[in-house]
Amino acid sequence: AQSVTQLDSQVPVFEEAPVELRCNYSSSVSVYLFWYVQYPNQGLQLLLKYLSGSTLVKGINGFEAEFNKSQTSFHLRKPSVHISDTAEYFCAVSAASGAGSYQLTFGKGTKLSVIP
Amino acid sequence: KAGVTQTPRYLIKTRGQQVTLSCSPISGHRSVSWYQQTPGQGLQFLFEYFSETQRNKGNFPGRFSGRQFSNSRSEMNVSTLELGDSALYLCASRGGLAGDSGYFGPGTRLTVL
Repeated sequence: AQSVTQLDSQVPVFEEAPVELRCNYSSSVSVYLFWYVQYPNQGLQLLLKYLSGSTLVKGINGFEAEFNKSQTSFHLRKPSVHISDTAEYFCAVSAASGAGSYQLTFGKGTKLSVIP
Repeated sequence: KAGVTQTPRYLIKTRGQQVTLSCSPISGHRSVSWYQQTPGQGLQFLFEYFSETQRNKGNFPGRFSGRQFSNSRSEMNVSTLELGDSALYLCASRGGLAGDSGYFGPGTRLTVL
C-alpha cells in the first residue's frame, strides 16, 4: 500500500514570490507520482507527473517538481506565483505495476493562497 | 475532444434513500475510476472499471457499488444513504495503462439530509 503526506495544509505567499509545496510518500514498491490542482467547485487538473527518467519534471503553468527517491519526496515548486495560482494542490501516488497501479492515493492537500 | 461529463452536478437526498451518479469518459478511454472527496477524509478511491469489469476496489462498505457499460459510461450507486456520504464524487477517465494520470470530471456534489 502507498501513503502520501503533504506537510503543509495551508501556504500563504505574496504574489511574484517563489513557493514550494512539500510532499512525502511511502511505498514498498516502485511508484508513479503526480501533482494535481483543484480550483473551487471544479475537478482535478493534472499539473505534472513523474513516471521514470529525469528526476526534474516540468509541468503546466510554470510548475516543476523534483523526485528524490532517497528522501521519498516529490516537492512542487514555482519560481514566481500569480493570483490565479490560488487553489488547492494535491500530491498523489500510484504503484508502478500490479493492481495498485489502477488507483491514486492522495495526500490531504495544500491550500495555496497568493496575497496581492 | 470532449471532456469527462458527470451528471447530475448537484444532488440532495435524505437518509435511507439511494442515489445513482453517472460518468461519461473521454471518447476512446476504457477506464473509469471513482473517488470520494470530503473535508475530513480527503480524496479516497472507491473503485475502478475497465472494459466493464471492476479491476480494483477501495475500502468502502458494500452500499457503494458501480458498473460500467459497453460504451464505457459508468454509474455508481449508493444505497441506504447516511449523513457521512455527503461528499463530492469525482470520476476519472483513463486509457487504462499504469502511469496514465487520467482526466477528472467536475464532480457530483451529493448532500444527504
